[in-house]
Amino acid sequence: QSALTQPASVSGSPGQSITISCTGTSSDVGSYQSVSWYQHHSGKVPKLMIYEGSKRPSGVSNRFSGSKSGNTASLTISGLQAEDEADYYCCSYAGSGTFWVFGGGTKLTVL
Amino acid sequence: QVQLQESGPGLVKPSQTLSLTCTVSGGSISSGSYYWSWIRQPAGKGLEWIGRIFTSGSTNYSPSLMSRVTISVDTSKNQFSLKLNSVTAADTAVYYCARRCTAKDAFDIWGQGTMVTVSS
Repeated sequence: QSALTQPASVSGSPGQSITISCTGTSSDVGSYQSVSWYQHHSGKVPKLMIYEGSKRPSGVSNRFSGSKSGNTASLTISGLQAEDEADYYCCSYAGSGTFWVFGGGTKLTVL
Repeated sequence: QVQLQESGPGLVKPSQTLSLTCTVSGGSISSGSYYWSWIRQPAGKGLEWIGRIFTSGSTNYSPSLMSRVTISVDTSKNQFSLKLNSVTAADTAVYYCARRCTAKDAFDIWGQGTMVTVSS
C-alpha cells in the first residue's frame, strides 16, 4: 500500500483534458509545497513533469499543470496527445523522519 | 547532460546482500546542490524511497529499511552505491538511482532502473 493514493487508471480521448489526483495526509501533501509529478514510459527513464506543486521544468509542455488543495494534489493534462500515454507518479515530502513518499501510480490511456 | 546508470547483479539469494552502483556521467557528482538517492518499485506496486547521500557522506534512510541499508559515495569514480542486507523475496524490485535537486526540490534525473530478483 503506497503512502499516497492515486487512481489506478484514467483515460481520455485526444484533445481532451484529464486530471490525476494524489491524496495524502496532513503529514505530507497537506503540510508541504514539495509535491512533484513524474511521467514514466515503460522501459524509459522516469521524467520530472511538475515540481513544487505547480512548476514546470524547462522543456515540459505547458499542457501539464499541477495544483494542490488541502491533502490532495492534482496533475492536469490538457489537449491530450498519444505520446502522453504513460504511468504517472506523485511524490511528496513527508518530514525529516520519513522524507519522501510516492503514490502507487496512475496509468493514463489515450483512447 | 547528466545521466545515471545502475549496475549490479540481477539475482541475489535470500539472506544475502544486494549491492548496486549508480554511475554518474556528463557531470561531476560533487557539483551543485544535489542529493543522490535510491528508489525502488516492486512489481505491480508504487515507488518507495530507500535513502539518499550527499557528497559530504551525509546520509538519510527510509525508516522501514534503515536497519538494513547503507548508501555510500565514491567521488573519485563519480559513483554512489546501495547495499541492502538480509534480503528476502519482498526486496525483489526494479531499483532506480536518482538525483534530488534542492533548487527544484524534486528528483530531476533518474537512471533507467535495474531489476533485482531475490530467489534461491
